Amino acid sequence: KNQVEQSPQSLIILEGKNCTLQCNYTVSPFSNLRWYKQDTGRGPVSLTIMTFSENTKSNGRYTATLDADTKQSSLHITASQLSDSASYICVVSVTSGGSYIPTFGRGTSLIVHP
Amino acid sequence: NAGVMQNPRHLVRRRGQEARLRCSPMKGHSHVYWYRQLPEEGLKFMVYLQKENIIDESGMPKERFSAEFPKEGPSILRIQQVVRGDSAAYFCASSPSWANVLTFGAGSRLTVL
Repeated sequence: KNQVEQSPQSLIILEGKNCTLQCNYTVSPFSNLRWYKQDTGRGPVSLTIMTFSENTKSNGRYTATLDADTKQSSLHITASQLSDSASYICVVSVTSGGSYIPTFGRGTSLIVHP
Repeated sequence: NAGVMQNPRHLVRRRGQEARLRCSPMKGHSHVYWYRQLPEEGLKFMVYLQKENIIDESGMPKERFSAEFPKEGPSILRIQQVVRGDSAAYFCASSPSWANVLTFGAGSRLTVL
């Protein structure tokens, strides 16, 4: 069964600090992995997308890593800001018959305190 | 490009009524996905549609729920005889046929009294 597990479930940090969110998956065959940010009451917004051959990808203060051998990904947030408070969702997609089937993790809820 | 448009944003129904949620994908996108998010829960896949075709409905409850994506007009998620447990946020995402690039709408929040 394709699964995406995220940890921690929730995280509280102080403004300006760094943090790392984890994503482990058993999805196969792997197509790509994407991190989304979902603000409360809003739809998810894509932060990064990584394919099998990519190890690291950055988007401003967000850096995602991928280890396809161990099926693990991480999202590192540098110098956190209050606006980083959101749910971060790891999504792993497979390709099946020309279609993309994404599997969503349950998300990590991040709260940044001043 | 207005992005993925969902309406209504908020819908209140009494038990036993019908709920219809609409999703207009981004211009040029022919794939639509519906997800349900319960309070404090992650996004749960419901159904994946292309124009006039249901590709994968493995996440749809077997009864009361149906979805369509006609040749013309928005995709519609229909819930018949709603129950309190149907109260959730329903998100629609769309992607073009040539890439796995999901763009989400703002969601429709259904409350069943």
